[in-house]
Amino acid sequence: DAGITQSPRYKITETGRQVTLMCHQTWSHSYMFWYRQDLGHGLRLIYYSAAADITDKGEVPDGYVVSRSKTENFPLTLESATRSQTSVYFCASSPRDITYGYEQYFGPGTRLTVT
Amino acid sequence: DAKTTQPPSMDCAEGRAANLPCNHSTISGNEYVYWYRQIHSQGPQYIIHGLKNNETNEMASLIITEDRKSSTLILPHATLRDTAVYYCIVRVAARHSGGGADGLTFGKGTHLIIQP
Repeated sequence: DAGITQSPRYKITETGRQVTLMCHQTWSHSYMFWYRQDLGHGLRLIYYSAAADITDKGEVPDGYVVSRSKTENFPLTLESATRSQTSVYFCASSPRDITYGYEQYFGPGTRLTVT
Repeated sequence: DAKTTQPPSMDCAEGRAANLPCNHSTISGNEYVYWYRQIHSQGPQYIIHGLKNNETNEMASLIITEDRKSSTLILPHATLRDTAVYYCIVRVAARHSGGGADGLTFGKGTHLIIQP
């Protein structure tokens, strides 16, 4: 099915482990984004990417690594998970180029628990 | 980016029009008004956006006042599935922000509850 998917949908990991969250979109959108959502903070941008091999930091990038070797995939890696990274993670993509605004389409989210 | 103010919650009867207000009195000329919603446990969903003219799509209508200091999102025939948190976001177009398509800033939004 076309759209934006995330995997896994639920993940429990231990402190210190590396974990990778996957995001895949079938629209060939140029822009992709990773957000986290926590109670009391709303959604906060972690990283974004304007195209394959182009990434940039958002508001809360510390502890996270991203890559984008293919347009359709934008994995997010927690190098050494901490309890403060327990959150719901949303991936998004945007069809617009930089001359337009922020019409973004979000995936279903990954609920990550770090114990 | 201009700050937005929305009521924390609203009720609406099923089948009636839901009118969600947003105040953005400090909006500048190159800033768009965006509306998103988030149904419980789902990712945010884009609804509509506009600059100065009223806009309509299959989901909703967006009415922006002439001075652009406020706007109203209208769901013409609300259903129970429209119960969600609705976010009004004001954001400059990427071409005016230095070229980067950085992310959206979601505030607390309005929790719209559709009553049967």
